[in-house]
Amino acid sequence: DSGVTQTPKHLITATGQRVTLRCSPRSGDLSVYWYQQSLDQGLQFLIQYYNGEERAKGNILERFSAQQFPDLHSELNLSSLELGDSALYFCASSAAVAGPSTDTQYFGPGTRLTVL
Amino acid sequence: EDKVVQSPLSLVVHEGDTVTLNCSYEVTNFRSLLWYKQEKKAPTFLFMLTSSGIEKKSGRLSSILDKKELFSILNITATQTGDSAVYLCAVVYGNKLVFGAGTILRVKS
Repeated sequence: DSGVTQTPKHLITATGQRVTLRCSPRSGDLSVYWYQQSLDQGLQFLIQYYNGEERAKGNILERFSAQQFPDLHSELNLSSLELGDSALYFCASSAAVAGPSTDTQYFGPGTRLTVL
Repeated sequence: EDKVVQSPLSLVVHEGDTVTLNCSYEVTNFRSLLWYKQEKKAPTFLFMLTSSGIEKKSGRLSSILDKKELFSILNITATQTGDSAVYLCAVVYGNKLVFGAGTILRVKS
């Protein structure tokens, strides 16, 4: 158990819909990262937040957005869902500050999103 | 285009064998290289490498980085069935992080 929690575990929805994935980092970690893992794209870095502020951006689509709240939990919002958005979405946390971490990242168990 | 390439894509070995996994990269403003092990769940951190020629070791696993030739290797000695997993390499450069496609390792008893 990494100490990072993600909800829900599984999510099935239809194209065109909007979903919210939630992540709580390890106690004391201020950085949260979001990743997407699909069979054809592998593991892709989406975005990083540190203490409520966006710090780094990867291959995140404009239909996707994220935020980190004062209690440090983070939410990833996916809208106008397409079939290709079906994937495993991981959240990770670390103590690091600047950019994608050179510090150890601890991954949550992931949310499996299926878009029908 | 910046990229991270892992090889082989997959391999099958017998218990007790030694394996070497490769990760090569072409990026600008390199910061660090990370190795992860992923079984049926989330990736777990193995090593972080920032300096050339310094071997990191953890039990039967070891890794080294060559910043001149732009690659890293992950060695696993005396493999066990529990080593079966996907091994991911990731490179941090600038403010980006990119993963390779992974190497699927299967260890047969």
